[in-house]
Amino acid sequence: AQTVTQSQPEMSVQEAETVTLSCTYDTSESDYYLFWYKQPPSRQMILVIRQEAYKQQNATENRFSVNFQKAAKSFSLKISDSQLGDAAMYFCALTGGTSYGKLTFGQGTILTVHP
Amino acid sequence: NAGVMQNPRHLVRRRGQEARLRCSPMKGHSHVYWYRQLPEEGLKFMVYLQKENIIDESGMPKERFSAEFPKEGPSILRIQQVVRGDSAAYFCASSPRDFYEQYFGPGTRLTVT
Repeated sequence: AQTVTQSQPEMSVQEAETVTLSCTYDTSESDYYLFWYKQPPSRQMILVIRQEAYKQQNATENRFSVNFQKAAKSFSLKISDSQLGDAAMYFCALTGGTSYGKLTFGQGTILTVHP
Repeated sequence: NAGVMQNPRHLVRRRGQEARLRCSPMKGHSHVYWYRQLPEEGLKFMVYLQKENIIDESGMPKERFSAEFPKEGPSILRIQQVVRGDSAAYFCASSPRDFYEQYFGPGTRLTVT
């Protein structure tokens, strides 16, 4: 079975500052994929960033980057130059192996951005 | 390219009625996933379908719930004899192939009164 754990129910950051959201996971698969999704108050799930486990280089998308530590099974999301529009619930998700692509989600972290 | 479409956005049903939720995947996507989000919780996988086939329904409750993705038309998630515990947001996602990122629809919020 695959599990994803987000240990921070809530986080806050000042506008223009940097914040890191934590995620740990467990899987017995050797080939898997990790994602961060954002869910703003509209409840629309938006893909933020994707990381293939076989790639050693950390993924980056504009102000969003990850710190992927495969041995530690850790996958944190760093948001630089935080903006008010980044305020949302953030979910870490995992898929791989025999899961046929279905996603296992963490419990989520609510991010508040203060002006 | 239009995104994943779901309708209705909001659905109110009385206990014992049937609920039908529709999902039209993105153009070119043949893989559809359904997830359920209970209040204050993360999304939970329900079922994975390809055209005319159910690939994985390990997250579906054994009774009252069914899903289909016909050759023509949208994917349908059907809940028979709804109960209050079925109240949740139901999300559909699509992808062009498995192990690829999934693109989500806006969700259907089901309220059972």
